[in-house]
Amino acid sequence: QKEVEQNSGPLSVPEGAIASLNCTYSDRVSQSFFWYRQYSGKSPELIMSIYSNGDKEDGRFTAQLNKASQYVSLLIRDSQPSDSATYLCAVNMNDKIIFGKGTRLHILP
Amino acid sequence: DAGITQSPRYKITETGRQVTLMCHQTWSHSYMFWYRQDLGHGLRLIYYSAAADITDKGEVPDGYVVSRSKTENFPLTLESATRSQTSVYFCASSPSGLYNEQFFGPGTRLTVL
Repeated sequence: QKEVEQNSGPLSVPEGAIASLNCTYSDRVSQSFFWYRQYSGKSPELIMSIYSNGDKEDGRFTAQLNKASQYVSLLIRDSQPSDSATYLCAVNMNDKIIFGKGTRLHILP
Repeated sequence: DAGITQSPRYKITETGRQVTLMCHQTWSHSYMFWYRQDLGHGLRLIYYSAAADITDKGEVPDGYVVSRSKTENFPLTLESATRSQTSVYFCASSPSGLYNEQFFGPGTRLTVL
C-alpha cells in the first residue's frame, strides 16, 4: 500500500530556532514532492515543491530530498510564531498525489 | 482575483438528503480535485477531473457523484447523505497534471445529522 508517513507531533520549537519536519514515503518511483502548510480551520497552502535530490531553498524554507532513502524534509529557519501550523507532506504515487496526515508545529514565543 | 472558490462554506443537512457542493476556479486549470479531510485520516481524494467531461475515481468515491461540463466548475454531489460523510471538503485545481502543485479552495464544512 502506498503511504506517506509523518510524525503527528506536536513539534515544539523555540522562536528563532530551526524547525525540522520529516516525511517518508513508500514508492521508490515517486518523482514529485510537496510541502503544504495548513492553519487551523483553513485550507492547505503550497509552500515548496521539490523534484530532484538535494536541497531547494526559498526564503526561510529549505526542502531536502533523498530518493535513495525515500525521505523528504522541510527546514524552517528563524522560526516565527506565525509558522505554527500543520505541515502536510505530499508525494505522487500511482498517478495520484498522496498526502501525509501532517505534523503539527508549535513555535514557542 | 478570486482563484478557486467553494460554496457553501458551511452546510448542515439530514441523512438521506441530496447535497451539492460547488467549486469554481478562474485560473482555467485543467485538473480539478475533490478531497475530504477527517481527523485521523488526513486528506483523501474523492474524485478528480483532467478536463471537461473527463472524471475519475480517487481513494474514497463511494456515495459521491461528480460532473464537469465546464472547465471552471466541478460540483460534488452526495446523492443520499450519510453521517459518515460529515467532513470538511476541499476542492483543488492544478494547471499541469496529477504530479504537480495543487491549489486549494477554502473548504466546505458539511455536517450530516
